[in-house]
Amino acid sequence: NAGVTQTPKFQVLKTGQSMTLQCAQDMNHEYMSWYRQDPGMGLRLIHYSVGAGITDQGEVPNGYNVSRSTTEDFPLRLLSAAPSQTSVYFCASQSQVSYNSPLHFGNGTRLTVT
Amino acid sequence: GQQLNQSPQSMFIQEGEDVSMNCTSSSIFNTWLWYKQDPGEGPVLLIALYKAGELTSNGRLTAQFGITRKDSFLNISASIPSDVGIYFCAGGNAGNMLTFGGGTRLMVKP
Repeated sequence: NAGVTQTPKFQVLKTGQSMTLQCAQDMNHEYMSWYRQDPGMGLRLIHYSVGAGITDQGEVPNGYNVSRSTTEDFPLRLLSAAPSQTSVYFCASQSQVSYNSPLHFGNGTRLTVT
Repeated sequence: GQQLNQSPQSMFIQEGEDVSMNCTSSSIFNTWLWYKQDPGEGPVLLIALYKAGELTSNGRLTAQFGITRKDSFLNISASIPSDVGIYFCAGGNAGNMLTFGGGTRLMVKP
């Protein structure tokens, strides 16, 4: 089973450039989310989706857009990259919308903005 | 938002030693979870706790859900080199959004 697949693994952007981080899951999970990981700050929720066609903001949504056109895919878009967005980004999925259901994480995308 | 204080931030221990880390919060959580992140990978769930006072083991790992619902601890007994990684606690409530601690980076010296 592939689980949660993120691409690319690494990316370097210049300030102002845009890009899309891809995330796909093959577990038919309804809930998907994006986190960023910064040293000493744990994982902070950027955006999440409880099902196809539904998205909502997390703790740190500014500078990021998402869409959920299918159950499988949940891309994260950076419209105009800034150095403050240098981070490791994790996509996660969950079988049901419940805090009792464990999160399955991808292996991350390490983004550097210069 | 809710804050989780996880300590220590890092630990450098000798193989075979026991390890203890904890998370505290000013808010109540209904679920406490512990994840481990291996280098270059995403976090993986180790233990989930659903009831105040609950003590759960998973091999050499033991975690407890504090009776006040504002804290949790994770113990690792007889550490081995593959225990190296970052350990995250997470608290959950209705509404599904987990709050993560800042992580404890564990380094094990053979």
